[in-house]
Amino acid sequence: QQQVKQSPQSLIVQKGGISIINCAYENTAFDYFPWYQQFPGKGPALLIAIRPDVSEKKEGRFTISFNKSAKQFSLHIMDSQPGDSATYFCAASRDGATNKLIFGTGTLLAVQP
Amino acid sequence: DSGVTQTPKHLITATGQRVTLRCSPRSGDLSVYWYQQSLDQGLQFLIQYYNGEERAKGNILERFSAQQFPDLHSELNLSSLELGDSALYFCASSPTAGGHYEQYFGPGTRLTVT
Repeated sequence: QQQVKQSPQSLIVQKGGISIINCAYENTAFDYFPWYQQFPGKGPALLIAIRPDVSEKKEGRFTISFNKSAKQFSLHIMDSQPGDSATYFCAASRDGATNKLIFGTGTLLAVQP
Repeated sequence: DSGVTQTPKHLITATGQRVTLRCSPRSGDLSVYWYQQSLDQGLQFLIQYYNGEERAKGNILERFSAQQFPDLHSELNLSSLELGDSALYFCASSPTAGGHYEQYFGPGTRLTVT
């Protein structure tokens, strides 16, 4: 049973536009929600992360919005650039003896010039 | 460059064979994670080792096993390979077992089973 659902599967945005990717989780024990960015031929790399004690976190053009009651969180990429074209994965984990990540299915973003 | 190294980069083998994937974590990281990335299953957690001991197990088949050595490098052993085992295998590392530290991913090993 998938514990983190991600949508859309793919996304095409014009340069300068806003890219929005959504995720929903089921396990209320999750307390850490990172987003990873993956370019072709590379491993995923941490982009930004949030804990459920805040509703929003912003780093440059990237913002995570978090809705604890709805068990949903989303990534917003402002002023999207062609260099942002990559696959984005949301993930979740719970604190404890392990830091294993449960990933969403990924969103392939293409930013058109 | 994440500081995590994985070898080999590519591996092509036949069904029924056994292969070993190797991972060296970032300097100072004690925890190593293995993930499998395939088109139909996405990125799935396989297993975690911390300072030489198994810490967590995910969707890892019984045909697969792993270990972490005293120098902290880790190996993932895949045996009796099937076509469905073809995937990208990533290793990641972090300083501790828990605590939500960033996991740094290696470049991956692409396994093709023919």
